[in-house]
Amino acid sequence: GNSVTQMEGPVTLSEEAFLTINCTYTATGYPSLFWYVQYPGEGLQLLLKATKADDKGSNKGFEATYRKETTSFHLEKGSVQVSDSAVYFCALSVGGATNKLIFGTGTLLAVQP
Amino acid sequence: EAGVAQSPRYKIIEKRQSVAFWCNPISGHATLYWYQQILGQGPKLLIQFQNNGVVDDSQLPKDRFSAERLKGVDSTLKIQPAKLEDSAVYLCASSLVLRKGLAGLNEQFFGPGTRLTVL
Repeated sequence: GNSVTQMEGPVTLSEEAFLTINCTYTATGYPSLFWYVQYPGEGLQLLLKATKADDKGSNKGFEATYRKETTSFHLEKGSVQVSDSAVYFCALSVGGATNKLIFGTGTLLAVQP
Repeated sequence: EAGVAQSPRYKIIEKRQSVAFWCNPISGHATLYWYQQILGQGPKLLIQFQNNGVVDDSQLPKDRFSAERLKGVDSTLKIQPAKLEDSAVYLCASSLVLRKGLAGLNEQFFGPGTRLTVL
């Protein structure tokens, strides 16, 4: 079946450190891939997405590249800020009759000043 | 533009009681989703509507959960009777008209969720 596996947290970094959150997927067909972010007390927000192999999604300094050969979509940021502290979810959608999202378990990022 | 609205934000009930959640999607969004997010897990789709018709309810425990979307706008999700394992955050999301096979094009917008605690 379709599934997403992402690295367990929490991930604790100092401000301006480099961030990588690993995400791999299993899917039939050609999924679209997403990263969602959930700030404390708020709803899920789309951070970035990629709809086909080798696409790079980017937003707010975050990037992720859709790697079909390694079935991965790792999230990276060159210099994190305290305001980036949140839970990050990797997700996929295989389209078809629905575009329901299948989420990973989430990774808590804590950035310290 | 107003976002997805949900109420209540928090609810505490005892097992075997019933509870209902309400969702108002973004104006003009034909597709509405209910997700269940258990602590430490990612959200899981319970049911998806296109206008007032059900597109996918394969993960909805139909013996106790029900949902409706009358008039293709607001939606309610009900649990009756609740069990301890129903404790979770219930998320509502909406998106524009569903286009089959174009999963990446219809962004889903999420509400703040309703946190349910079953004692």
